[in-house]
Amino acid sequence: EAGVAQSPRYKIIEKRQSVAFWCNPISGHATLYWYQQILGQGPKLLIQFQNNGVVDDSQLPKDRFSAERLKGVDSTLKIQPAKLEDSAVYLCASSLDPGGFNSPLHFGNGTRLTVT
Amino acid sequence: GNSVTQMEGPVTLSEEAFLTINCTYTATGYPSLFWYVQYPGEGLQLLLKATKADDKGSNKGFEATYRKETTSFHLEKGSVQVSDSAVYFCALSEGSNYKLTFGKGTLLTVNP
Repeated sequence: EAGVAQSPRYKIIEKRQSVAFWCNPISGHATLYWYQQILGQGPKLLIQFQNNGVVDDSQLPKDRFSAERLKGVDSTLKIQPAKLEDSAVYLCASSLDPGGFNSPLHFGNGTRLTVT
Repeated sequence: GNSVTQMEGPVTLSEEAFLTINCTYTATGYPSLFWYVQYPGEGLQLLLKATKADDKGSNKGFEATYRKETTSFHLEKGSVQVSDSAVYFCALSEGSNYKLTFGKGTLLTVNP
């Protein structure tokens, strides 16, 4: 099966600019996640979608980050305006059901964002 | 809140050496526990998992046992190979939406 696709692979922007990341999950996976992985740390959940509805966005900095999953398939994550501390790898993952023991997460290769 | 603490790396071993990567957790209830692995240039992938006390997860020669009394889930392998070089993440999930909480990761390098 095709894996989780993310683009772009790398992005360099200046602070205060905006940026968007795209994710295409595995076909049929209802649940989609965006994680932020800062260098030297483990991934941190930003937002979780079940189909096109938000399940958990408690750690999403809503003043600058936004995400959508129109039609319950592809998703985009946007940052506007970016700050230096947003430099990280942004990971998209998907699963058949809301995670859990019998429905593991499948991760994409991530987008590496550098804010200068 | 929930948290995962794993041993700091990097860990460097020779081929066929024994591997242990320590992982302890803090959780309010009874979480499921996971080890994820990230090979160079690839995305994270599930290595093994366990859902309740004394369960042992195993895959590709790796093992980890869910120890409730010590809140631990240490990763072990009897004989590592060069191809095992990767970053290993311990994680737990809990709650109705099975939110994953990750440790910081441990970089393993295996030399021939």
